[in-house]
Amino acid sequence: DTGVSQNPRHKITKRGQNVTFRCDPISEHNRLYWYRQTLGQGPEFLTYFQNEAQLEKSRLLSDRFSAERPKGSFSTLEIQRTEQGDSAMYLCASSRQGVFTEAFFGQGTRLTVV
Amino acid sequence: ELKVEQNPLFLSMQEGKNYTIYCNYSTTSDRLYWYRQDPGKSLESLFVLLSNGAVKQEGRLMASLDTKARLSTLHITAAVHDLSATYFCAVEPGAQKLVFGQGTRLTINP
Repeated sequence: DTGVSQNPRHKITKRGQNVTFRCDPISEHNRLYWYRQTLGQGPEFLTYFQNEAQLEKSRLLSDRFSAERPKGSFSTLEIQRTEQGDSAMYLCASSRQGVFTEAFFGQGTRLTVV
Repeated sequence: ELKVEQNPLFLSMQEGKNYTIYCNYSTTSDRLYWYRQDPGKSLESLFVLLSNGAVKQEGRLMASLDTKARLSTLHITAAVHDLSATYFCAVEPGAQKLVFGQGTRLTINP
């Protein structure tokens, strides 16, 4: 396994369009996280899955955002009616379940809304 | 709300010098992480500190944790240009998510 994989790496979209990102976690990891990082800031937590269950969502995740992990493997993050403020790096991370669960990050998807 | 503050936010230093980055957090946390990020890249895990008094070293970097003071430090010894990057600390307050500091952008000049 080569680590957490995210696609696409870059996405440019016009304001008002919908976009979808995909994250493939490390295969034996049942926890999956989405973070958003804007320029010059640290990553901010968006949401977290354990297997297929979405267990926590940040208030940053507005109604235009939806995340799924239908079979407890890969996950998708969709943004509807994109706004310029959505421009950011979207990072996915995965970890095992357990007492000590270090998260490993993917390369991220950089979204630019024009 | 848990807050994580790093200082300095920007650090420019010369090769061969020593310096320390500080990470303060506002509430009790189970674990503290240090990550490195190169421009346009994702996060590379450097250290995971699990208990009070923990100290870990890798090459020219050493991290420590004082849970009573809610303080972690990342010490750089005899800096080299390859260490130029942005360094983040992150706290895991038992809620299965990480809360990151703002990052310290480190530039090491020859």
